[in-house]
Amino acid sequence: EVQLQESGPGLVKPSQSLSLTCSVTGYSITSNYWGWIRKFPGNKMEWMGYISYSGSTSYNPSLKSRISITRDTSKNQFFLQLNSVTTEDTATYYCARSLTIFDYWGQGVMVTVSS
Amino acid sequence: DIVMTQSPSSLAVSAGDKVTMSCKSSQSLLSSEYQGNYLSWFQQKPGQSPKLLISLASTRETGVPDRFIGSGSGTDFTLTISSVQAEDLAVYYCEQYYSYPLTFGSGTKLEIK
Repeated sequence: EVQLQESGPGLVKPSQSLSLTCSVTGYSITSNYWGWIRKFPGNKMEWMGYISYSGSTSYNPSLKSRISITRDTSKNQFFLQLNSVTTEDTATYYCARSLTIFDYWGQGVMVTVSS
Repeated sequence: DIVMTQSPSSLAVSAGDKVTMSCKSSQSLLSSEYQGNYLSWFQQKPGQSPKLLISLASTRETGVPDRFIGSGSGTDFTLTISSVQAEDLAVYYCEQYYSYPLTFGSGTKLEIK
């Protein structure tokens, strides 16, 4: 069974970087596509980007140059880094499988940006 | 970006009722090449991650009860729950995957009276 698990700090200070890990079991990240989605307080959902089976990436233009998604295939993990965070980046962050149809999701990690 | 508009934002129904919720996109999600509408529906129960219910506007995922029915084409889509159960308490989201960036509706919160 495919399982995804997010991990990372729950509190980040403004202007710092947010770094999260998604650990995948039951499926190799060298197949398919792997993405990050976040849900803001109030239910708004935003697709952030993906990393493909080959390591190529695609990002939401709204995040401009602040975002980076990388991976470690030896550990079957992929990562999210979001730079220069503000309080508006406070959200629950999810990792999920697939290019477009998100069929498997992690349980989510809540990240608060506050000083 | 394609804007997804869901309505109503919330509704309260009794178990056994039929429920209909709407999702409208700012441009057509119909792919002429593949003859499908690139729209998914998700269910998010309290404290859980989103669960994929329906893709291609009307194709139920394996294991999803047949009381969940997706319909529509082009820019207008509907999720119908034919007979609501107490366990259907959740927020329901639509998502378009016709073009990047992928975008979601703002959700319809279903409450059970």
